This record gives sequence, C-alpha cells and structure tokens, in this order.
Amino acid sequence: GAVVSQHPSRVICKSGTSVKIECRSLDFQATTMFWYRQFPKQSLMLMATSNEGSKATYEQGVEKDKFLINHASLTLSTLTVTSAHPEDSSFYICSATHWGGGRSYEQYFGPGTRLTVT
Amino acid sequence: RKEVEQDPGPFNVPEGATVAFNCTYSNSASQSFFWYRQDCRKEPKLLMSVYSSGNEDGRFTAQLNRASQYISLLIRDSKLSDSATYLCVVTSGAGSYQLTFGKGTKLSVIP
Repeated sequence: GAVVSQHPSRVICKSGTSVKIECRSLDFQATTMFWYRQFPKQSLMLMATSNEGSKATYEQGVEKDKFLINHASLTLSTLTVTSAHPEDSSFYICSATHWGGGRSYEQYFGPGTRLTVT
Repeated sequence: RKEVEQDPGPFNVPEGATVAFNCTYSNSASQSFFWYRQDCRKEPKLLMSVYSSGNEDGRFTAQLNRASQYISLLIRDSKLSDSATYLCVVTSGAGSYQLTFGKGTKLSVIP
C-alpha cells in the first residue's frame, strides 16, 4: 500500500518559535496533500488542501500567514507553524491522495506530529 | 446540525460480541463514504469503503442508505484487537476529495 511519512513525530518548542513539519509520500506521487489538526477527543479538522506547484487552499478560520504550507514537489509538502503559541499544541496529520485504480478518493495518512508549545 | 454525526459511545463489549456503529451525514452531495479506525495517539487507518450495495470484509460489514443519509458498520465476533475509535468519513461534496470526519465512537473489547 501507499506509505506517507511525517517528520518529526513529536516536537516540543517554546512559545514564539516556528516549527516545520514535513510530509512525504514514499512510494507514490501525490498531486494533492491535506493537512489536518486534531485536538484531544475531537475529530480531525481539515486545515488546508495543498496542490503541488500552487498555493494551498485554507479552510475557514485557519490563518494562512500562521500556518505556511509549501508543496514544492509531488512527494513533499511542509507545514510551518509560525510564532507558535500554547493553543497551537495539537496533533497535526497529513494525508496524500493517490489517484488511479478506481480509488481516487482514498487518502493515505501520515503517522502524525504531536506538537507541544510551552 | 453537525456534518457527520456518530454514536457518542464509548461501547464496552465482551470478546465475541457483535457491535454496530451508526452514522448520519448532512451533505446530500457526498459521494464517497468510509470507515476508518484510529488507535490512541495514532493516525487514522482506512478500514473499508462503503458502497450502496453494502460490502463485507471478513467480520466487518458496512451499509449505506443514501436516501436516509445513513451509514453503518457491523463488527461480528469482536476481538481484543478491535479496540479503537471508529471514524465515519464522507467526502465533502460532489466531485470533492476532501474528507469530513465524524467525531468517532470508541470501542473497548473486554476479555
């Protein structure tokens, strides 16, 4: 099956610093990647949709200047949380869409990055 | 009304029991439907897609009723390893590949 990796798996940072999270599709080309956030005991909430070579589309309420997304290649998307604050502490998960084979809506999820801002 | 609603749970069942999860969705334009499972502090993993004709994968059976906008998942002969949170997931609308997640129902299978 398709494999998506994320790095780092866990990060602790101080308030005011920036954190970059990488999402890679290891064995397929992902034209579209998604970034989600999940707070404890809550559902996954889509933050943004990232298409290779174009600007990301952000969901309502998600600040694009705070959550910078770059999708420079078909296998890599990055999310940078700028000037992180404790309320940004969450589980960030990426996913990638693998087109073809009649399963165009299937998304493959990365293992997630747990961010703690102190 | 929430876009995807699920039984609040948690469900605590003995090994070998049959357990059913229900889900309703509000967007009539949704075209694809899934059940995912999520283990504690892990990413969601696709359990199965859900088709109008109903589909079965071993001990798992999924049903979809488009008219009622209702999805179900039945697990037979529960195993300890089935303990997880089960997420009902639908696409956001016609031609969309964005996913909308339910809050999930936690299942604990007890020895």
